[in-house]
Parts: sequence; C-alpha cells; structure tokens
Amino acid sequence: AQTVTQSQPEMSVQEAETVTLSCTYDTSESDYYLFWYKQPPSRQMILVIRQEAYKQQNATENRFSVNFQKAAKSFSLKISDSQLGDAAMYFCAFQGAQKLVFGQGTRLTINP
Amino acid sequence: NAGVMQNPRHLVRRRGQEARLRCSPMKGHSHVYWYRQLPEEGLKFMVYLQKENIIDESGMPKERFSAEFPKEGPSILRIQQVVRGDSAAYFCASSSRWSGRSGANVLTFGAGSRLTVL
Repeated sequence: AQTVTQSQPEMSVQEAETVTLSCTYDTSESDYYLFWYKQPPSRQMILVIRQEAYKQQNATENRFSVNFQKAAKSFSLKISDSQLGDAAMYFCAFQGAQKLVFGQGTRLTINP
Repeated sequence: NAGVMQNPRHLVRRRGQEARLRCSPMKGHSHVYWYRQLPEEGLKFMVYLQKENIIDESGMPKERFSAEFPKEGPSILRIQQVVRGDSAAYFCASSSRWSGRSGANVLTFGAGSRLTVL
C-alpha cells in the first residue's frame, strides 16, 4: 500500500520570504502522480500543483514550485514570496493506479 | 459550473441516530469519492463509486456505513446509529474518469460536510 509522510506538522515563515514543505512517499509503482493541496480555514480542498512521475522537469505554478526526487521518493513544495493568504494546511497526495492517498498535513503560518 | 456540491454543510446528530450526507458531482462527472477527515488529520479514503456501482470500498468501516450513487440524483453517504467517533468532516470529490494509469485524474473536492455527534 502507498503511504505519504509529511514530517513537519507546523511551519512558519515571514511574509515575502520563501518556505519549503517536505513530503516523502512509498510505492512500488513506476507510473504515478503527486499533488499538493491547500486547505484554508474554510476547509475547501484546493489543488495547488501536480507532478507526473514520468516527467523529470519540476512543476511550477507562479509562486509555487516542487522539487521532485523520484529515486529518493521525495516531493517538496516551495512557496516563494509568501503572502498572508498562503496560510493554510497543506497536504501532499499520491495517486497511483487507484485512489488518492494523503499525508497528514503541514500547518503553514505566515508572520506579517 | 457549480462545482461539487455537498449538503448539509453542518449536521448535528445524537448518538444512535442516522446521518445522511449528500454529494452532487460536477456536471459531466460520473465518478465520486468519499473521504473522511478527523480533527488535525489528513483525508482518509472511504469509498469510490460510479453511477450505480461501488468500485472500491476498502476504506469503509464494515458496519453502519454505506454509500450509493444512483442513476439519478446525488451520491449518499449514510451512517447508521452514529457514535461520537463518527464526528468528522466528510468530503466528496468527483472526476470525469477513473484515476488510473491512463493519466492523472484530478479530483475536484466539495466544501465538506461537518458531522457532530452529541
């Protein structure tokens, strides 16, 4: 079974600074997809970024980028120029042949 | 497109009562997933359904929980004889096709239904 581990329960960063959230996963599959979801206090799950495992190039979406290390099974999220609106729970997720599996989440606080 | 609609947003039940949570997928989506989120935890998969079929219920508790996605109408997650441990946020997600090797299938999530059992 696939597992997703987020080792940082909480992180904080100064506004306008850069922060990196860690995620590791375990799988025996070779074809899969990785996602970062954001969950603000409204509890809505919002897709931030996704990465196809067969692509070597790291995905980027504006201020959000990932560092995908397939051999190490690592998928970290970097948020540049942090904004107050980035404050939320962030969940890493793995999708292989079947269901989407989530990590435990990292609570990100932005300090003004 | 109204997105994935879940109702009620908040539901309060006393122990022993039944809870019914409804999910209307995005227009054009025929695949529905239910996830449960306990306080301060990640989302845990419960069940995956297509119209009139349960495809994967490996995350569903063996008793008291059931799900359906009829040909017409929303998907229903039903919890019978609720207990305090059932208190959680229940999220529904939908997709246009099966999440499999044919390609990433991004799930669109609803806003969740928060169940409180007194």
